[in-house]
Amino acid sequence: KQEVTQIPAALSVPEGENLVLNCSFTDSAIYNLQWFRQDPGKGLTSLLLIQSSQREQTSGRLNASLDKSSGRSTLYIAASQPGDSATYLCAVNGNTPLVFGKGTRLSVIA
Amino acid sequence: NAGVTQTPKFQVLKTGQSMTLQCAQDMNHEYMSWYRQDPGMGLRLIHYSVGAGITDQGEVPNGYNVSRSTTEDFPLRLLSAAPSQTSVYFCASSNPTNTEAFFGQGTRLTVV
Repeated sequence: KQEVTQIPAALSVPEGENLVLNCSFTDSAIYNLQWFRQDPGKGLTSLLLIQSSQREQTSGRLNASLDKSSGRSTLYIAASQPGDSATYLCAVNGNTPLVFGKGTRLSVIA
Repeated sequence: NAGVTQTPKFQVLKTGQSMTLQCAQDMNHEYMSWYRQDPGMGLRLIHYSVGAGITDQGEVPNGYNVSRSTTEDFPLRLLSAAPSQTSVYFCASSNPTNTEAFFGQGTRLTVV
């Protein structure tokens, strides 16, 4: 059974810092990994999709990496802003629909 | 292009009542799924479908029914609502393997 773990569960940083969110998964037989953002009381916004054959994907200040063999992904956020405050969810797509981690709640303090 | 549309956005039910949460997608996706999100538990898979006429159970299927008669629609039925089903429900759609999953905006359900 696929299990996804996200560390840390919560993170508070001052504005302008670069930061890394971690995601690990137990079964490396995945098709892709997706990072989402969720604001309080809202739905999920897809940030980045990394195919199993890829090592990383970039979108603006966000960079996601994937090491399938070791079951790890990281989301790097450069020059963080208060508007980045949200919960970030990692999900893996394998032989079953997306399996989610419990998320990292990020607070960026101005 | 509406993407994934869920209705209603909010619902309050009494214990024992039944209802159907609607989900529709206009992207011709084969895969559709229902998740529930509870504090501290993350998103957990309830039921999913890999195509019209094909459904399967996820991690927490008890108390819920689904059917998939068309590619576009994947309703979730609560047969006899219980307070433990108070949650936020999300519907998702995607195509097989290497494509992005899209989510609806969620249905916030309270069972009293």
